[in-house]
Amino acid sequence: GAVVSQHPSWVICKSGTSVKIECRSLDFQATTMFWYRQFPKQSLMLMATSNEGSKATYEQGVEKDKFLINHASLTLSTLTVTSAHPEDSSFYICSARDPRTGMNSPLHFGNGTRLTVT
Amino acid sequence: GQQLNQSPQSMFIQEGEDVSMNCTSSSIFNTWLWYKQDPGEGPVLLIALYKAGELTSNGRLTAQFGITRKDSFLNISASIPSDVGIYFCAGQGETSGSRLTFGEGTQLTVNP
Repeated sequence: GAVVSQHPSWVICKSGTSVKIECRSLDFQATTMFWYRQFPKQSLMLMATSNEGSKATYEQGVEKDKFLINHASLTLSTLTVTSAHPEDSSFYICSARDPRTGMNSPLHFGNGTRLTVT
Repeated sequence: GQQLNQSPQSMFIQEGEDVSMNCTSSSIFNTWLWYKQDPGEGPVLLIALYKAGELTSNGRLTAQFGITRKDSFLNISASIPSDVGIYFCAGQGETSGSRLTFGEGTQLTVNP
């Protein structure tokens, strides 16, 4: 089945530094990947849609200069949290669809990255 | 925008009992999905529904796509301790493109 891999699983960084999170589709090519954020005891909130070879589409309220997305290849999207602050501490999860199973195929999620900003 | 109401928010049951949870939407969806999330991990797909009225099973799990296309339910039969986790419904609508809208989740606790 489709597998989405995310790295790192967890990261602790100091306030003001930047953190990069990688999302890879392991056995399929994904022209589009989705980045979600999840706060404790809450649901998943879509942050942005990552498009291979073009600019990402950000949801309302998400700062594109703070959450930099790069989708440089068909199997890799990266999310960089720039100048991180404690309020950015959250669980970040990426997802993608396997295009081999059609346009309405379900999203497959990575295992998430727990970011803690001290 | 589209909203999904998922209920109940939490459930505490005894091992062996059946469980039911549901989601309702303010608008029509073309696809309903049910995911399970364990602590510290990403959601894992349980069941995908693509047609109104569709009833699909996956082992002890059964889910249905409502006839009105605005609701879906998930049943778990004969619950076991490893069923513990958060269950999310998600819908993909006619106007949302490829984006998913998630319910608020149902926290399931199974007492052995």
